[in-house]
Amino acid sequence: AQKITQTQPGMFVQEKEAVTLDCTYDTSDPSYGLFWYKQPSSGEMIFLIYQGSYDQQNATEGRYSLNFQKARKSANLVISASQLGDSAMYFCAMGGDNQGGKLIFGQGTELSVKP
Amino acid sequence: DVKVTQSSRYLVKRTGEKVFLECVQDMDHENMFWYRQDPGLGLRLIYFSYDVKMKEKGDIPEGYSVSREKKERFSLILESASTNQTSMYLCAISQGFREKLFFGSGTQLSVL
Repeated sequence: AQKITQTQPGMFVQEKEAVTLDCTYDTSDPSYGLFWYKQPSSGEMIFLIYQGSYDQQNATEGRYSLNFQKARKSANLVISASQLGDSAMYFCAMGGDNQGGKLIFGQGTELSVKP
Repeated sequence: DVKVTQSSRYLVKRTGEKVFLECVQDMDHENMFWYRQDPGLGLRLIYFSYDVKMKEKGDIPEGYSVSREKKERFSLILESASTNQTSMYLCAISQGFREKLFFGSGTQLSVL
């Protein structure tokens, strides 16, 4: 069975500092993808970044990077130079090649950026 | 821009009512999904569909059914609403395996 775990229900970070949001996963699929989504208070789900299990390099998208450690089954999101607009819920998700396109999600981490 | 439209942003229903949540996409994507979101539990998959008239159960299908008569429309049905179905319901679409999901804006359902 697949599983995604986010162990940080809530986190605080000072504006302009970097923050790491933790995500660990478990899967029996040999090939899979890892995703991060942001959900601000408005409720919309915003796709941030994707990492394929066979990608050699860690994914980056602007201020977002994914620290992918396959052996440890972790896919942590790093946000550099935090901004007040980064305050939101963040969800880690995984989709395996044998899962038919569906994603499973973690419990979420609520990030608060302090001025 | 991808557009996934959910018919209602807020909905209040009574226990025992039959409830329809509608989701319409404009992207011709094959895959459509219904999730529910609850605090501390994240998003949990209720049902999904890869094609017209096709459906598969997700992780929490009990108390729900779905309908996909046309490719662009995927409906979630609560046959007899109960208070424990009070939740945020999110519709999502994707193009294929390991593809990112595009979400609708969600329907906050309250069952009284």
